[in-house]
Amino acid sequence: DVKVTQSSRYLVKRTGEKVFLECVQDMDHENMFWYRQDPGLGLRLIYFSYDVKMKEKGDIPEGYSVSREKKERFSLILESASTNQTSMYLCASSFLGQGSFNQPQHFGDGTRLSIL
Amino acid sequence: KNEVEQSPQNLTAQEGEFITINCSYSVGISALHWLQQHPGGGIVSLFMLSSGKKKHGRLIATINIQEKHSSLHITASHPRDSAVYICAVEFRDTDKLIFGTGTRLQVFP
Repeated sequence: DVKVTQSSRYLVKRTGEKVFLECVQDMDHENMFWYRQDPGLGLRLIYFSYDVKMKEKGDIPEGYSVSREKKERFSLILESASTNQTSMYLCASSFLGQGSFNQPQHFGDGTRLSIL
Repeated sequence: KNEVEQSPQNLTAQEGEFITINCSYSVGISALHWLQQHPGGGIVSLFMLSSGKKKHGRLIATINIQEKHSSLHITASHPRDSAVYICAVEFRDTDKLIFGTGTRLQVFP
């Protein structure tokens, strides 16, 4: 079974802090994704990566950056956390298909991040 | 504009009932995904389809390309089916995945 592991289930940080969210997958997937989920809005894509050291902006990249130094690990970085970044963050991975999104995605359990 | 709409937003059912959740989208797609999210947050991919029908256990997903509509059916529903069901669509023109806001299903014994 594919395992996507996010480093924390719950995280509380202060405004202005630099925050790292880590995600590791064990199925040699090429694609990795970071989403945030807010009530009434559905999941929104922040960034995705289709290869080591490659990254593409999603729909809401502002205030975030990512790092993919190894194939199995994709990190989301909040450069200077703000209260409007309080959210549920979900990592996912998939094999590379014809398009970026036409392979089933496997999700981690999510990190509920609160910025105070 | 690439849009995805799900209905209903909330659904309650008695154990054993047949459940239907609907998803409509605006323009041509490459693929449509159905996902399940349990309380606590974890998301599981149920189906990915671009035409026809797929079945897995008590779950059936159908898609009608001409009508731009997909349905997720649950036969003989059970309390453990209680979850949020999410439709997500990959639009052909933008190569992006757009998520619906989900349908919250509660099945009572």
